[in-house]
Amino acid sequence: DAGVTQSPTHLIKTRGQQVTLRCSPKSGHDTVSWYQQALGQGPQFIFQYYEEEERQRGNFPDRFSGHQFPNYSSELNVNALLLGDSALYLCASRKLGAGNQPQHFGDGTRLSIL
Amino acid sequence: TQLLEQSPQFLSIQEGENLTVYCNSSSVFSSLQWYRQEPGEGPVLLVTVVTGGEVKKLKRLTFQFGDARKDSSLHITAAQPGDTGLYLCAGGINTGTASKLTFGTGTRLQVTL
Repeated sequence: DAGVTQSPTHLIKTRGQQVTLRCSPKSGHDTVSWYQQALGQGPQFIFQYYEEEERQRGNFPDRFSGHQFPNYSSELNVNALLLGDSALYLCASRKLGAGNQPQHFGDGTRLSIL
Repeated sequence: TQLLEQSPQFLSIQEGENLTVYCNSSSVFSSLQWYRQEPGEGPVLLVTVVTGGEVKKLKRLTFQFGDARKDSSLHITAAQPGDTGLYLCAGGINTGTASKLTFGTGTRLQVTL
């Protein structure tokens, strides 16, 4: 039973470019959330997708957008990259409606902006 | 804005010592989760507590959720080098289709021989 998988594991981009990160949720999970973790800090919530719609959003600019596909996988897109976007991007999944079932995290994509 | 503050931020102890990590907030959460994260990996769930006053034990780790569901603590007995890592608490509010986690600032623990 595969857990949450993310790709790529590492990525280097330059300022102004655009990036797409991908996530496959744990089997049986239907809700995907994305988090940004800067070095030395706790993860910060970006947004959450359920039934292919953005359901909740954290304090991130519109440069950050996402998508969820019918198979529950998800993408995170970031446009006009800034140096401050360098971080570990984490994807988490859970089964909605399962009470307080916890979120399970992938190992993240390390994004470096030069 | 919901904030979770963890203390201490850094902790360096020797094998066999006991320690407690605190997670405090002014907000009420539906659940409180503790994760451990190692370099290059995502957070791994240790425990979820949902009832005020709840205490859960996981081998040498004891987790407690405050009566008002605003704070939590993690106590490690007889720490081992394998306990080294970043410990994160995260508060969850599950309403309808929303399930956002608010993470604490993290406690970096180093256990030496």
